[in-house]
Amino acid sequence: AQKVTQAQTEISVVEKEDVTLDCVYETRDTTYYLFWYKQPPSGELVFLIRRNSFDEQNEISGRYSWNFQKSTSSFNFTITASQVVDSAVYFCALEGSQGNLIFGKGTKLSVKP
Amino acid sequence: DGGITQSPKYLFRKEGQNVTLSCEQNLNHDAMYWYRQDPGQGLRLIYYSQIVNDFQKGDIAEGYSVSREKKESFPLTVTSAQKNPTAFYLCASSITAGSESPLHFGNGTRLTVT
Repeated sequence: AQKVTQAQTEISVVEKEDVTLDCVYETRDTTYYLFWYKQPPSGELVFLIRRNSFDEQNEISGRYSWNFQKSTSSFNFTITASQVVDSAVYFCALEGSQGNLIFGKGTKLSVKP
Repeated sequence: DGGITQSPKYLFRKEGQNVTLSCEQNLNHDAMYWYRQDPGQGLRLIYYSQIVNDFQKGDIAEGYSVSREKKESFPLTVTSAQKNPTAFYLCASSITAGSESPLHFGNGTRLTVT
């Protein structure tokens, strides 16, 4: 079975703090893709990153970085020097066998000024 | 600009009525998807379509129906058989069904049934 677990339901930080959002996945596939999406209060989902299971290099994009650890089936997301605009619900997702996405339940991040 | 349009943003219906949610995309994407979002539940797949005139049930298809007569359009009907229809509904599309392209999402329709 394929499954994505985001154990942190809500996280609250003060602006400029670093914060890490955890994601653990389960799959029997040897090749798979993992994703992170951001859902601001307006509701739409914004694509952040896609990671191929063959590529275990960490990725950095500005204040965002992702740590992919195949050995622990984790794909964690870190925001450095958080800002109020980072407040949103963040979803980790695993690609299903039909090209659809299997989502975790999301982590609500609140960044306070 | 290309994108996915869902309308309306808010929809209210009485229990027992069928209601159709609109989803239109001008991205020339082959694959389209409907997800349902409930508080604390993440997104769950209702139906998906990989190509025109073809669609498949997702994890929670009971009480829903779809059609895919045109590439650009993938309307979702919430029937009276759906026991808990109040939710936030998100439509998505991708170039093809698979990991070559990420899903692009619409802004969602919040359906309230009383």
